[in-house]
Amino acid sequence: ETGVTQSPTHLIKTRGQQVTLRCSSQSGHNTVSWYQQALGQGPQFIFQYYREEENGRGNFPPRFSGLQFPNYSSELNVNALELDDSALYLCASSLEGANSPLHFGNGTRLTVT
Amino acid sequence: DQQVKQNSPSLSVQEGRISILNCDYTNSMFDYFLWYKKYPAEGPTFLISISSIKDKNEDGRFTVFLNKSAKHLSLHIVPSQPGDSAVYFCLLTTSGTYKYIFGTGTRLKVLA
Repeated sequence: ETGVTQSPTHLIKTRGQQVTLRCSSQSGHNTVSWYQQALGQGPQFIFQYYREEENGRGNFPPRFSGLQFPNYSSELNVNALELDDSALYLCASSLEGANSPLHFGNGTRLTVT
Repeated sequence: DQQVKQNSPSLSVQEGRISILNCDYTNSMFDYFLWYKKYPAEGPTFLISISSIKDKNEDGRFTVFLNKSAKHLSLHIVPSQPGDSAVYFCLLTTSGTYKYIFGTGTRLKVLA
């Protein structure tokens, strides 16, 4: 069983730039969700995709967008980067259903300068 | 607005004793309650869960308790082991609107 993998592991961008983060789901999982974890805080839910459609979203502005592909892998895109976007971005895959445990990747550390 | 709080940022426990981690929430909309453990440089790992229709669930050394009237969730680890040293997050979810709310985390240190 292949776990959740994220790429890249680290990334440095400049304010105003755009970034794309990638995630491969655990095999058999059809749902993917993304989280932002700032230093010293719990992960914050960004959005969730099921069968290529967004079906849940947290309190993040539209410049945070995503995609899910037919193989259930996913991308997180962030436009017009701000300094406060510096954080660990976590991807999780799961089966459908809010009670299905999330399986996380190790995250991408994004630094915006 | 912080809907889910873990009021103890850190906790130290002697090996072999019980560790009790707490999570308080303000909204009754949540259906499922999960606990995750996170080691440095790794993603969170699922430990145990409970649905809103139960008040206790047990899995080996881990037991989760839910008090809906008090809006309080707790995780008991007994006996605690040094390998349990990590940051623990509670996660609350809703089945209708697919929202996932994590607590602020508690850093557990189990002393050998």
